Amino acid sequence: NAGVTQTPKFRVLKTGQSMTLLCAQDMNHEYMYWYRQDPGMGLRLIHYSVGEGTTAKGEVPDGYNVSRLKKQNFLLGLESAAPSQTSVYFCASRGGGSGSGAEQYFGPGTRLTVT
Amino acid sequence: EDKVVQSPLSLVVHEGDTVTLNCSYEVTNFRSLLWYKQEKKAPTFLFMLTSSGIEKKSGRLSSILDKKELSSILNITATQTGDSAIYLCAVTGGTSYGKLTFGQGTILTVHP
Repeated sequence: NAGVTQTPKFRVLKTGQSMTLLCAQDMNHEYMYWYRQDPGMGLRLIHYSVGEGTTAKGEVPDGYNVSRLKKQNFLLGLESAAPSQTSVYFCASRGGGSGSGAEQYFGPGTRLTVT
Repeated sequence: EDKVVQSPLSLVVHEGDTVTLNCSYEVTNFRSLLWYKQEKKAPTFLFMLTSSGIEKKSGRLSSILDKKELSSILNITATQTGDSAIYLCAVTGGTSYGKLTFGQGTILTVHP
């Protein structure tokens, strides 16, 4: 049981390049989330999914797209990277009903630098 | 818009000290408040507090939820160097599909 995994762990992009971050979970969780973490700002929600085939915008969605084609995978895409997207990206998943306060389980993070 | 504010933003103590971290929140239809510990990598879950469970304890760590004051505290007694980490507070509301709104975090450094 690996929990939540993320690939890659590190990446350096040039401005304007694109990339996809992959998140996978083996806990059969319905809900998955993408956050970014910047110094002094905690974690901010980018996009989330409440089930296979569904996605929704979070607090800071601009410049990102997501897809949830399979229940266990949640992809985060950057179509044209900008230096402002330099950050550490965390994926998380959660079981439970829509209103429950169940805890989220986090992946190890991806450190992205855009030059 | 949901909001979480943590204080202090950073704290330096010596082993054996007791620390109290604070978290205040504004959230529509409050469901739960969660505390996470973040060392090098992913945040790891510590406690979840709800209206039906306003006090939690695990070893040297304990947490209390004050729904009247819209706040929570995390206490760590007899601190150890291994307690050095960022402590994150987050809240979730009733119609938010479990989305967590995080505070800025408190950076705790414990010196030997």
